[in-house]
Amino acid sequence: DAMVIQNPRYQVTQFGKPVTLSCSQTLNHNVMYWYQQKSSQAPKLLFHYYDKDFNNEADTPDNFQSRRPNTSFCFLDIRSPGLGDTAMYLCASSPGDETQYFGPGTRLLVL
Amino acid sequence: AQRVTQPEKLLSVFKGAPVELKCNYSYSGSPELFWYVQYSRQRLQLLLRHISRESIKGFTADLNKGETSFHLKKPFAQEEDSAMYYCALRSPGGYNKLIFGAGTRLAVHP
Repeated sequence: DAMVIQNPRYQVTQFGKPVTLSCSQTLNHNVMYWYQQKSSQAPKLLFHYYDKDFNNEADTPDNFQSRRPNTSFCFLDIRSPGLGDTAMYLCASSPGDETQYFGPGTRLLVL
Repeated sequence: AQRVTQPEKLLSVFKGAPVELKCNYSYSGSPELFWYVQYSRQRLQLLLRHISRESIKGFTADLNKGETSFHLKKPFAQEEDSAMYYCALRSPGGYNKLIFGAGTRLAVHP
């Protein structure tokens, strides 16, 4: 089935140790998104790509970076994770209309 | 600033009872609103969008611009409706950016 895949599903890292989360989609969608969702809070958009056009949200910390080497893959890099970055990270894709298709999420724990 | 508010963290009802999940928004333009749902151990998925004026799984939602609300309703809840429900507002700029509410957990008891 065409879908959005995230790896790993669970990630534990140490304070300050860089971590990369991966997302891929087989839907051939132009747009890919990364959200951060902390416990009992709304998913919060970090950034999104339209093809290779990168769009950063104004309040996304510099610590968060992203790469999209091709249509299918998008990575979230956290350069120096802090304890406050413990969260669920959701990836989504869209053909550019109203619907976003979400992956299962990566639960990140920073110790 | 655009904002979505879901005032209830948890809504608990019995099977067969009516359900109303509240959503209020703050947006100066013409809003586009959605409901997304996340069933247990499943991914977040679109339930319905206001412009379609559709009924999905018995759920409907009407946009009320006067009250800036987009409440989700179902006349008779089923146990399989138990899930996390998120209201979302399409944000201007970018490509189909969404602003989510914090979500309401619906628990339908037998």
